[in-house]
Amino acid sequence: GEDVEQSLFLSVREGDSSVINCTYTDSSSTYLYWYKQEPGAGLQLLTYIFSNMDMKQDQRLTVLLNKKDKHLSLRIADTQTGDSAIYFCAESPTTSGTYKYIFGTGTRLKVLA
Amino acid sequence: EPEVTQTPSHQVTQMGQEVILRCVPISNHLYFYWYRQILGQKVEFLVSFYNNEISEKSEIFDDQFSVERPDGSNFTLKIRSTKLEDSAMYFCASRTQGSYEQYFGPGTRLTVT
Repeated sequence: GEDVEQSLFLSVREGDSSVINCTYTDSSSTYLYWYKQEPGAGLQLLTYIFSNMDMKQDQRLTVLLNKKDKHLSLRIADTQTGDSAIYFCAESPTTSGTYKYIFGTGTRLKVLA
Repeated sequence: EPEVTQTPSHQVTQMGQEVILRCVPISNHLYFYWYRQILGQKVEFLVSFYNNEISEKSEIFDDQFSVERPDGSNFTLKIRSTKLEDSAMYFCASRTQGSYEQYFGPGTRLTVT
């Protein structure tokens, strides 16, 4: 089935690292994505990783991919109050033919000052 | 930088009325999508569109929904007879040939009363 799971909430102190986890189901996904959604706003692409990579670093963001376990994580270093938002992972199964996105349930990150 | 635009940003309508949500995808993109996000829930795929026809639709996309590309720039989602449960944020997205990355619009918030 098509189900992408994330933990619902994460609370961290400003300056700490945040790790948001995601498990996906379709191993055919060529790319996996992380999106950020601030309150009342749209979807902002943060980063993505190609499925043949284990890790991708982009400034404060590090994405880790474990294909065997179908597990994806997003680490935010030196988390700031502006990072408070909902974070969605998404897979794009090539089996669908249309490369539609299947989004996770979203993780609400709260950064405490 | 080119972006996907959506109008209106907020639409309020009465139950049973027809609504048309409009999107202008990025000009050289060929693949178009609609997604829906009910308040507090995850983003769900509705439909994908390519070469003037629907390429995939979800179970949510029933006979009350239709999509159209009436001219070379607009991509519309019509809901024929709105229900209370259609209240949601609707996102349009587009992508170009040869790329999996979808670019999202800012969304239209539909409120059905």
